[in-house]
Amino acid sequence: GENVEQHPSTLSVQEGDSAVIKCTYSDSASNYFPWYKQELGKGPQLIIDIRSNVGEKKDQRIAVTLNKTAKHFSLHITETQPEDSAVYFCAASYGQGGKLIFGQGTELSVKP
Amino acid sequence: DSGVTQTPKHLITATGQRVTLRCSPRSGDLSVYWYQQSLDQGLQFLIQYYNGEERAKGNILERFSAQQFPDLHSELNLSSLELGDSALYFCASSATYTGELFFGEGSRLTVL
Repeated sequence: GENVEQHPSTLSVQEGDSAVIKCTYSDSASNYFPWYKQELGKGPQLIIDIRSNVGEKKDQRIAVTLNKTAKHFSLHITETQPEDSAVYFCAASYGQGGKLIFGQGTELSVKP
Repeated sequence: DSGVTQTPKHLITATGQRVTLRCSPRSGDLSVYWYQQSLDQGLQFLIQYYNGEERAKGNILERFSAQQFPDLHSELNLSSLELGDSALYFCASSATYTGELFFGEGSRLTVL
């Protein structure tokens, strides 16, 4: 079925540490994998995305890696800051229409 | 500000009632998506429209229906409401159906 598994569900790190969130998807035809950040009281906002023809993408302190064979992709945040505290969602595209199926979310807490 | 407008922001109603949630996509975006976010349930895909036509359907209940109008705004109709329908309902839009989604701030529905 159309499924995205995300873990951990909660993650607490000290400021300056790295954070890693992992996702797996079920359809080998999925070709688009975005990550969204949701702050309290707001809608999710795209922070980084990767397509299936790329293995890794970096944007300042954020990076995403994709392993198509294993159907895994991960978000890496380095040098975490308190303002990184939020809920992070991974997603994978499914079907010809490209609908996004989201993981269950990871609540990241960065302690100063 | 994502450019996606959802109304109302908050809605309290009783079981058995019917409500309509409205979404205005970003200017020029042809694709509209509806997601339901319940506590601990992540973002559940409901339905996707592209330029007025239904593109993909998720686990949307028969009591729920949606449409996208010629001016590209969309409405999600929820009828025979149950306590379990209480949730945040997000609308998102994108220029195509394979790219970044821009989310509104959501409509919080409380069914008493």
